[in-house]
Amino acid sequence: DADVTQTPRNRITKTGKRIMLECSQTKGHDRMYWYRQDPGLGLRLIYYSFDVKDINKGEISDGYSVSRQAQAKFSLSLESAIPNQTALYFCATSASPHGDLGEKLFFGSGTQLSVL
Amino acid sequence: QKEVEQDPGPLSVPEGAIVSLNCTYSNSAFQYFMWYRQYSRKGPELLMYTYSSGNKEDGRFTAQVDKSSKYISLFIRDSQPSDSATYLCAMSAREGTSYGKLTFGQGTILTVHP
Repeated sequence: DADVTQTPRNRITKTGKRIMLECSQTKGHDRMYWYRQDPGLGLRLIYYSFDVKDINKGEISDGYSVSRQAQAKFSLSLESAIPNQTALYFCATSASPHGDLGEKLFFGSGTQLSVL
Repeated sequence: QKEVEQDPGPLSVPEGAIVSLNCTYSNSAFQYFMWYRQYSRKGPELLMYTYSSGNKEDGRFTAQVDKSSKYISLFIRDSQPSDSATYLCAMSAREGTSYGKLTFGQGTILTVHP
């Protein structure tokens, strides 16, 4: 079984609809992240959470919200979807760094979202 | 100007070739440098990790960091068709007692043909 599981794998929705993308992990990591990937733009950070009570905005949080329901679960919501939110969304986890290890992310397989 | 610049390619090479993938960056505080490999419709997976300047070798892969030039490279020797993927560089800076979040390059699409 995958260590970081995202559901759904694909989603097509209409402009104005509210949708939720879900992420769960069995790695036991404290830190969880949501990224979006667009062609030519790489991965951009939407939100991140270092523990259940800690939620932080990333570089492109407008139009998104998150909920950290438990250490293992982190969901991303689009309150009113718009076409330019069409992208590949990734959830990632990491353990709290030790020493000089820096940050190592482990990614799920992604959710392809299309907003019509 | 983006903090991290990476040539998106695409790059197409014959099997057995030496591949060089590169990123430049502008933030001199970056000190952790990583390369992720992403196969089609999969999430990125960590391939190489280096701290500060120097070289690191792992099998056919060598990661190189030149902090004075703000330039990092990934070399793949004896490239194989299974190396066909998108390669993303990523880097972060230490912030106090914590670690900064990763900043990614745009990714380079590599195809190795038999």
